[in-house]
Amino acid sequence: KAGVTQTPRYLIKTRGQQVTLSCSPISGHRSVSWYQQTPGQGLQFLFEYFSETQRNKGNFPGRFSGRQFSNSRSEMNVSTLELGDSALYLCASSPSGSVGGYTFGSGTRLTVV
Amino acid sequence: GDSVTQMEGPVTLSEEAFLTINCTYTATGYPSLFWYVQYPGEGLQLLLKATKADDKGSNKGFEATYRKETTSFHLEKGSVQVSDSAVYFCALSDGNTGNQFYFGTGTSLTVIP
Repeated sequence: KAGVTQTPRYLIKTRGQQVTLSCSPISGHRSVSWYQQTPGQGLQFLFEYFSETQRNKGNFPGRFSGRQFSNSRSEMNVSTLELGDSALYLCASSPSGSVGGYTFGSGTRLTVV
Repeated sequence: GDSVTQMEGPVTLSEEAFLTINCTYTATGYPSLFWYVQYPGEGLQLLLKATKADDKGSNKGFEATYRKETTSFHLEKGSVQVSDSAVYFCALSDGNTGNQFYFGTGTSLTVIP
């Protein structure tokens, strides 16, 4: 059974640009969550989607947005990139969003220069 | 608000030594507690979990007991191996705040032969 797939694995962008990251959940999983991991702030929750609806949102500025498609694939977008957005972005999927059932992907490493 | 406080690292142990990584939490409700492990260049893998007080989670020789009276969920292993070298994260999820995880800062473990 395929795991959670995140693309791309690595990305380098320039300040002020925007970026879109993709997450393909495990087949049958309807809940997708996103986390940002940085050395300074650790792992922080961005948002959770379930059946194309955002169910929960962390404390991030509006430059961070996401969406989920009917096939449960999810994308997150960061506009007007700042140096501080450099991080590992992790996606996790679950059949129904029940805690404990989340499987994480390997992440997308974003570097903003 | 909810939070997790985790033992600072890094931790360096000799092979076959006993491991303890301390974790305490603050939560408004009745959280579920987790330990995740992250190997270099990879995402998070669920190591073990406990969903109610006095539950013991165990996996691959690792154990942790949910102690409500001391709000703790310490990770232990009787005899570590070189392959256990990784970063370990304690986390909680409180149903009152949706399905998001609150993570500790992570503890880096290096096991030397």
